[in-house]
Amino acid sequence: KQEVTQIPAALSVPEGENLVLNCSFTDSAIYNLQWFRQDPGKGLTSLLLIQSSQREQTSGRLNASLDKSSGRSTLYIAASQPGDSATYLCAVREGRWIETSGSRLTFGEGTQLTVNP
Amino acid sequence: DAGITQSPRYKITETGRQVTLMCHQTWSHSYMFWYRQDLGHGLRLIYYSAAADITDKGEVPDGYVVSRSKTENFPLTLESATRSQTSVYFCASSGPSLVGRSPNYGYTFGSGTRLTVV
Repeated sequence: KQEVTQIPAALSVPEGENLVLNCSFTDSAIYNLQWFRQDPGKGLTSLLLIQSSQREQTSGRLNASLDKSSGRSTLYIAASQPGDSATYLCAVREGRWIETSGSRLTFGEGTQLTVNP
Repeated sequence: DAGITQSPRYKITETGRQVTLMCHQTWSHSYMFWYRQDLGHGLRLIYYSAAADITDKGEVPDGYVVSRSKTENFPLTLESATRSQTSVYFCASSGPSLVGRSPNYGYTFGSGTRLTVV
C-alpha cells in the first residue's frame, strides 16, 4: 500500500526566505505527483503536476522536482511571502486508468507553512 | 466558466437524517471522486466513478451512497447521518476528458462542503 510522508509537518520562516518542502512515497511505480495548496477553510488548489517521466516543473516562484527511483519529491518556494502561508499537500497517483489501478490519489498529511512579515 | 462546484457550502443536519451533497463539473472529465478530510486522518477516498453509471468504493464507503446518471454530476448521499460523518467533503474530477484535451490527468477539487451532524 502506497504511503506518502511529508516533512516537516510545520514550518515557520521570515518573509523573503527560500524554502524546501519534502515529500516521500514508498512505491516508486507512480503515474504522476501533484502538489496542492490548501488555505484554512478552503479547498485544494493544484500548484504543480509532475508526470512520472519528468524531473521537475516550474510555475513562477515554485519549483517541484521528482526523483521517482528514490521515492522523493521536493517543492521549492523562492523568496517566500506572507501570502504563501497555507498547508501544502503532496499526492501521488499510481495509475492512469481508474479501471486498472483505481487511479487514486494518496495524500501526505501536509506541511503547514507560515511566512512571517 | 469551466470548473467543479459543490453545494451546499455548509450543512447542519440531525443524526439519522438523509442528506445529499452535490457535485457538478464542466470539464467533461470521466473520473470523479469523493473525499472526506478530518484532522488526524487527512484526505480519505469515499467513492469514485470511472464514467456515468460506473462507481466503486474507496477506503471509507460505509454509510454513503453515490450515483452518477450523468457524466457531470456525482452526488454523495448519507443515508442515515451519524456524528462520525461530521467532516469536510471534497469532490474532485480528473481526465481523461470526453471532449477536448484533458489537462495532464491532474486532479481538480471543489471548494468543499462542511457538514456537521448534531
